[in-house]
Amino acid sequence: DSGVTQTPKHLITATGQRVTLRCSPRSGDLSVYWYQQSLDQGLQFLIQYYNGEERAKGNILERFSAQQFPDLHSELNLSSLELGDSALYFCASSVRDNPGLPTYEQYFGPGTRLTVT
Amino acid sequence: LAKTTQPISMDSYEGQEVNITCSHNNIATNDYITWYQQFPSQGPRFIIQGYKTKVTNEVASLFIPADRKSSTLSLPRVSLSDTAVYYCLVGGSARQLTFGSGTQLTVLP
Repeated sequence: DSGVTQTPKHLITATGQRVTLRCSPRSGDLSVYWYQQSLDQGLQFLIQYYNGEERAKGNILERFSAQQFPDLHSELNLSSLELGDSALYFCASSVRDNPGLPTYEQYFGPGTRLTVT
Repeated sequence: LAKTTQPISMDSYEGQEVNITCSHNNIATNDYITWYQQFPSQGPRFIIQGYKTKVTNEVASLFIPADRKSSTLSLPRVSLSDTAVYYCLVGGSARQLTFGSGTQLTVLP
């Protein structure tokens, strides 16, 4: 158990719909990262938040957005869903966000499996 | 971010030591080398991180030669439960993790 929680575990929805995935980081961790893992694309970084502020953006579509709340939990919003958005979505957290120091020790949650039909 | 190359798959038997090598020819001076493990339908798990020479923890060892253009993850006495995908990542202060294809390790009885 990494200490990172994600809800829901599974989500089935139709094309064109909007869903929200939730993540609670480990206690004390200020950084939250979102990743998407699909069979054809592998594990891809989407976006990072640090203490409520967006810090880095990866291959995140414009239809996707995220935010981190004052209690440090984060939500990933996916809208106008397409079949290709079906994937595992992981949230990770880490303590440090200090440029110049390695921040590669991230703790991943169990993921949310999204199926778009 | 430095590009990494690692074998697509490896097989081993229970009780053997497994060494997975990763090539990263264009590693930068401030880059660290990190390894993650992922089981099917689970999030990756941090295994070990190093900068140079050798790092050892309760799970694995990481060997990094002087030129740092490659690294080797060593798993002592593997068991069936070590069957997983192992990712080698190289980077410095970049906040995002860039995963390659990883190495599928299959431990046979």
